[in-house]
Amino acid sequence: DIQLTQSPSFLSASVGDRVTITCRASQGIRTYVAWYQQKPGKAPKLLIYGASSLQSGVPSRFSGSGSGTEFTLTISSLQPEDFATYHCQHLNSYPFTFGPGTKVDIK
Amino acid sequence: QLQLVQSGAEVKKPGASVKVSCKASGDTFTKSYIHWVRQAPGQGLEWMGLINPSGDYTHYAQKFQGTVTMTRDTSTSTLYMELSSLRSEDTAVYFCARLQRAGAGDGFDIWGQGTLVTVSS
Repeated sequence: DIQLTQSPSFLSASVGDRVTITCRASQGIRTYVAWYQQKPGKAPKLLIYGASSLQSGVPSRFSGSGSGTEFTLTISSLQPEDFATYHCQHLNSYPFTFGPGTKVDIK
Repeated sequence: QLQLVQSGAEVKKPGASVKVSCKASGDTFTKSYIHWVRQAPGQGLEWMGLINPSGDYTHYAQKFQGTVTMTRDTSTSTLYMELSSLRSEDTAVYFCARLQRAGAGDGFDIWGQGTLVTVSS
């Protein structure tokens, strides 16, 4: 099975900050990566698919990049509603595992 | 637009089974692969498996083989996930989610609201 790691696991940031989260895969997964945002008590929300394609309705301050084994999610200017947990997921082959998550908190 | 509405919270004893439903509305249901994901309290997301649009193909994560069964009733547009031989470690919120297939890649674009299953003696 393909394993995903995320770094950092926790980050504290201020409104307006640029934030970058990294997701690494244990083997190459081309661009079969999705990113989700999850708030407490809610279902995850798809932000990015295909490593870099912005899901419809998601603000343009979110962007994704990468291929192979290393991927990044960037929030260009953190907004109050962006404080949440972010998960990466690979969809290269079954099982479609998720990373452990990155919690973005208010500094 | 597809919507997924799940059944309510359940409390079960160890060794019992639970069957969670996920009712779909919208005309793309019959074309959609549906996946199940769970999240234990304070933990990350765990992929459990999927069922294809016609309901004749399933694929389960190895961890759940032998204990999970995913089915779909096309007449009522309802998906089911049954988990047997429950243990306390199965306490989690269970989500159904639709796989979006786009030219640039895939992702789970529509999710149910989640169903909390508590396993306790």
